[in-house]
Amino acid sequence: NAGVTQTPKFQVLKTGQSMTLQCAQDMNHEYMSWYRQDPGMGLRLIHYSVGAGITDQGEVPNGYNVSRSTTEDFPLRLLSAAPSQTSVYFCATRLAGGETQYFGPGTRLLVL
Amino acid sequence: DQQVKQNSPSLSVQEGRISILNCDYTNSMFDYFLWYKKYPAEGPTFLISISSIKDKNEDGRFTVFLNKSAKHLSLHIVPSQPGDSAVYFCAASAYDAGNMLTFGGGTRLMVKP
Repeated sequence: NAGVTQTPKFQVLKTGQSMTLQCAQDMNHEYMSWYRQDPGMGLRLIHYSVGAGITDQGEVPNGYNVSRSTTEDFPLRLLSAAPSQTSVYFCATRLAGGETQYFGPGTRLLVL
Repeated sequence: DQQVKQNSPSLSVQEGRISILNCDYTNSMFDYFLWYKKYPAEGPTFLISISSIKDKNEDGRFTVFLNKSAKHLSLHIVPSQPGDSAVYFCAASAYDAGNMLTFGGGTRLMVKP
C-alpha cells in the first residue's frame, strides 16, 4: 500500500515550457486535490476533484490544468511555465465525507 | 485576505516544556479544524482535529483547544520532544464548502535538547 505517490520529486523548467506533475493513489479515495506551498503562505488549493470525470477550481487555478480519468490518478499540467510557479506542489486525497487529507511527498518545481 | 492565520512564524521551546501554537480564523462558517505536521522534504501529516461542537480534543501529548467566540484555536504539546521539531499548519474546513481545507501559513517549532 503506497498511499499517495508523486513524480517527479524535483524538476527544473525554463519559462514557457510545459510539464505534467503526476499523482497516484491506491487508497480508493474519491477526493483528490493539488496544493502549492509557498513561504509564509501555507498550502493553497489549486484544483480538486470529487471523483473520476469531475474537477473544479480552487483558490489559485490560473496557469494549471487538471483531469481525472480514473480514481487513482490526478495529473496537474503546467501549459506554459512561469517563474511565479516556482513552488512545492502537494497532492492530497481523502474519502468523500471524510475530514482528514493524506498528502503525497511533494514535487519541488523551479522555473527559470 | 487570509482566512486562517498563524501569526508566529517560529517558536523555540526547551525539551520537556510545553509548546503552544496558535491559530486564528475569520470565517464563521468553518466547522472543523485540523493540525498538520510537516518535516522537511515530506508531505504534511495529519496530527489532530476538532469539531466546532467541541472545545477540546486530546490525543496523547497533543491537545487542541477551540474558542469559537474568539475564532481562535491552539495546539498544546506536553512534554515537547526534539522529534516534535517541524512546521505545524493549522487548517479549517466548512461542510457547506465541500470540506475543502484552508491552511494557515505555518509555524516552525524548534525543540531544543
